[in-house]
Amino acid sequence: GQNIDQPTEMTATEGAIVQINCTYQTSGFNGLFWYQQHAGEAPTFLSYNVLDGLEEKGRFSSFLSRSKGYSYLLLKELQMKDSASYLCAAAYGGSQGNLIFGKGTKLSVKP
Amino acid sequence: NAGVTQTPKFRVLKTGQSMTLLCAQDMNHEYMYWYRQDPGMGLRLIHYSVGEGTTAKGEVPDGYNVSRLKKQNFLLGLESAAPSQTSVYFCASTYQNSPLHFGNGTRLTVT
Repeated sequence: GQNIDQPTEMTATEGAIVQINCTYQTSGFNGLFWYQQHAGEAPTFLSYNVLDGLEEKGRFSSFLSRSKGYSYLLLKELQMKDSASYLCAAAYGGSQGNLIFGKGTKLSVKP
Repeated sequence: NAGVTQTPKFRVLKTGQSMTLLCAQDMNHEYMYWYRQDPGMGLRLIHYSVGEGTTAKGEVPDGYNVSRLKKQNFLLGLESAAPSQTSVYFCASTYQNSPLHFGNGTRLTVT
């Protein structure tokens, strides 16, 4: 199967910058999604990368390197409300159905 | 515009009982998915559908069946519930190469 690896937990300070890394298997890869999930809630979409490079959306940016099987989510000017789990998900193959999620990174933002 | 609606929100079953989880979307999306989410395991794909009348197995299909008789509905059935099926179930829908829209989840406990 396709393994998606990301750190289990991270801690950062309010106002700081944090980078959450994700690695995936490159064979058959189509694109990479990042989702945010607050405790007890459904995941919500943050970003989608298909091409190499950095996509910036306000305080959040996402980077993709297709050749290295690597992505990261960068969160700037951290706020307490950013405490959540961040899910990396890779799409594979011709079928839209094969979207594999990592186990998620639980980010705790401290004052 | 309700998006993706899951019913019920909570359910407690005894081992061996059966039930059906309903997912409805009003966005005319072709693709629909059922995931389960367990602590430390991330989101795992149970079954998915790329269109009305079609279904396919995901990563963890055993013990579940699905049907997509109408484009807007995707049903997940448990014929004989087991304690290992205690989980939070998320339905999602999308169209080609676009982010998943998730329902709010169904919290199922099997005793």
